[in-house]
Amino acid sequence: NAGVTQTPKFRVLKTGQSMTLLCAQDMNHEYMYWYRQDPGMGLRLIHYSVGEGTTAKGEVPDGYNVSRLKKQNFLLGLESAAPSQTSVYFCATQRGGYSDTQYFGPGTRLTVL
Amino acid sequence: DAKTTQPPSMDCAEGRAANLPCNHSTISGNEYVYWYRQIHSQGPQYIIHGLKNNETNEMASLIITEDRKSSTLILPHATLRDTAVYYCIVKSQGAQKLVFGQGTRLTINP
Repeated sequence: NAGVTQTPKFRVLKTGQSMTLLCAQDMNHEYMYWYRQDPGMGLRLIHYSVGEGTTAKGEVPDGYNVSRLKKQNFLLGLESAAPSQTSVYFCATQRGGYSDTQYFGPGTRLTVL
Repeated sequence: DAKTTQPPSMDCAEGRAANLPCNHSTISGNEYVYWYRQIHSQGPQYIIHGLKNNETNEMASLIITEDRKSSTLILPHATLRDTAVYYCIVKSQGAQKLVFGQGTRLTINP
């Protein structure tokens, strides 16, 4: 039982390159989330999903796209990376309904040059 | 969701109780108080949550004032591994999002 895993752990991109971050969970949770965390700040919600095939915008969605084709996976895409997207990205899951505890992955550290 | 206010930093001696305060004066009746912590560079970790009654689990205790406008997270016997940023979050049950503030950076000193 791995919980929440994120791939890759680290990545360096050049401005304008694209990439996809993968979040995978084996807890059969309905809700999944992508957050970013900049130095010295709290987490900010980028996008989230309340079930397979659904996505919704969070607090800072610009420059990102997401997909939830399978219940266990939530993908975060950067089509044209910018230095402002240098951050640590965390994925989280939540069982859904009235269970509100979120479980976080270990994070992906992304640098855009 | 209601806004929370926490001190930016606190220190505590190893083995003593760490008491972390949180103000949430605009909390409404259906909003819960959640505590998470983030140990350096790791993903946040759930600690405890409550509505109006005091709560205790294997990690901590949560004391909520009778008017629900503030709460205190208590780590009864702090260890060096409890050094982390602690986030107090107010959220209504069933709401999909957690809103993280700046949190309190707790340092446990030997």
